[in-house]
Amino acid sequence: EDQVTQSPEALRLQEGESSSLNCSYTVSGLRGLFWYRQDPGKGPEFLFTLYSAGEEKEKERLKATLTKKESFLHITAPKPEDSATYLCAVQVGGATNKLIFGTGTLLAVQP
Amino acid sequence: NAGVTQTPKFQVLKTGQSMTLQCAQDMNHEYMSWYRQDPGMGLRLIHYSVGAGITDQGEVPNGYNVSRSTTEDFPLRLLSAAPSQTSVYFCASTLDRERPLHFGNGTRLTVT
Repeated sequence: EDQVTQSPEALRLQEGESSSLNCSYTVSGLRGLFWYRQDPGKGPEFLFTLYSAGEEKEKERLKATLTKKESFLHITAPKPEDSATYLCAVQVGGATNKLIFGTGTLLAVQP
Repeated sequence: NAGVTQTPKFQVLKTGQSMTLQCAQDMNHEYMSWYRQDPGMGLRLIHYSVGAGITDQGEVPNGYNVSRSTTEDFPLRLLSAAPSQTSVYFCASTLDRERPLHFGNGTRLTVT
């Protein structure tokens, strides 16, 4: 069964304290992996797409990486405005051709 | 360019009532979809459309109807609301299914 799991469920960091969020997946045929940021009361906002193992994407304090089994979202020297829920989603190819979302990681960055 | 616009933002229904959640996009996207978001669960696909006049079921379609008469609009209808449909509903659009989704800001629905 295709599955996407995010960990941890919640993470509290001090401002400037770097860390990583994990998205592990078991799917039959990865077409792409997406990272989104969701602020309270808002819809998810697209951050990155990764297509193949070894690929990396960066944007400000965020860097996303991809292996054959998981993706990491590295947050370097976070600021309070980075506080949000981070969602990953896996596009599964083949006959199913579906997008599976993880349950998200709630990140709180304390000043 | 407003992106994806959803109305209303909040709605309370009694069991058995019907209503329509509105979704409009101004990006000329062919693909539109409806998701529900519940605590402890990932976003789940309700219905989707790959273009005007074409709709299909997603993972959790029961209790919901959709239609797509124009490229811009994709309303979601609840014919007889049930407490199990209490959720936050998101509409999303994109050029095609394998590109990133653009989400609206959601409708929070409570069914009592």
